[in-house]
Amino acid sequence: AQSVTQLDSHVSVSEGTPVLLRCNYSSSYSPSLFWYVQHPNKGLQLLLKYTSAATLVKGINGFEAEFKKSETSFHLTKPSAHMSDAAEYFCVVSDRGFGNEKLTFGTGTRLTIIP
Amino acid sequence: DTEVTQTPKHLVMGMTNKKSLKCEQHMGHRAMYWYKQKAKKPPELMFVYSYEKLSINESVPSRFSPECPNSSLLNLHLHALQPEDSALYLCASSQDLLPPYNEQFFGPGTRLTVL
Repeated sequence: AQSVTQLDSHVSVSEGTPVLLRCNYSSSYSPSLFWYVQHPNKGLQLLLKYTSAATLVKGINGFEAEFKKSETSFHLTKPSAHMSDAAEYFCVVSDRGFGNEKLTFGTGTRLTIIP
Repeated sequence: DTEVTQTPKHLVMGMTNKKSLKCEQHMGHRAMYWYKQKAKKPPELMFVYSYEKLSINESVPSRFSPECPNSSLLNLHLHALQPEDSALYLCASSQDLLPPYNEQFFGPGTRLTVL
């Protein structure tokens, strides 16, 4: 069975400072992992994905995430926050294998950027 | 074309009305999805179509009726809805149903209000 836990429901950082959004997952098999971002009243946009290639994954808008199997983590980072990064972020896991067609979403982390 | 489009953007309907939500993609994806998202919550899966056949129905009430006329289009027919059905309805598509081809691309959503 697959599950995902986003450890912080709300994160606030100052503009220009680093961002860290934490995600832990549980998976029976080799997982695919995703980070999506959702701005207010918008759809979800894929930031980055891990599908068993390089463990350090680079995404759009300067975001990156590192897959750490030993820690079952897939934390999202960005070196310097921008006002436009304020949004809701979802960590998503998908187990491989038949019968695992559904994505499992975390509960989301709201990122607030302080000017 | 790498986007999923949804119409209308906003919809207000009474409990006795019949309306439809439309979703379209031209990426050649063979899996399409309907999600319901309430405020400050992650998306909840409603239906999955794979190769134009209903693959997953997450025990959604019959007042929601999906339809997949062809591989590019997905509709959601609404009838006799309740006020608690008010939400953002998101459509998504993916290359295929199974990992690692199930990276989902989301549309902007339809904001539905039921009076």
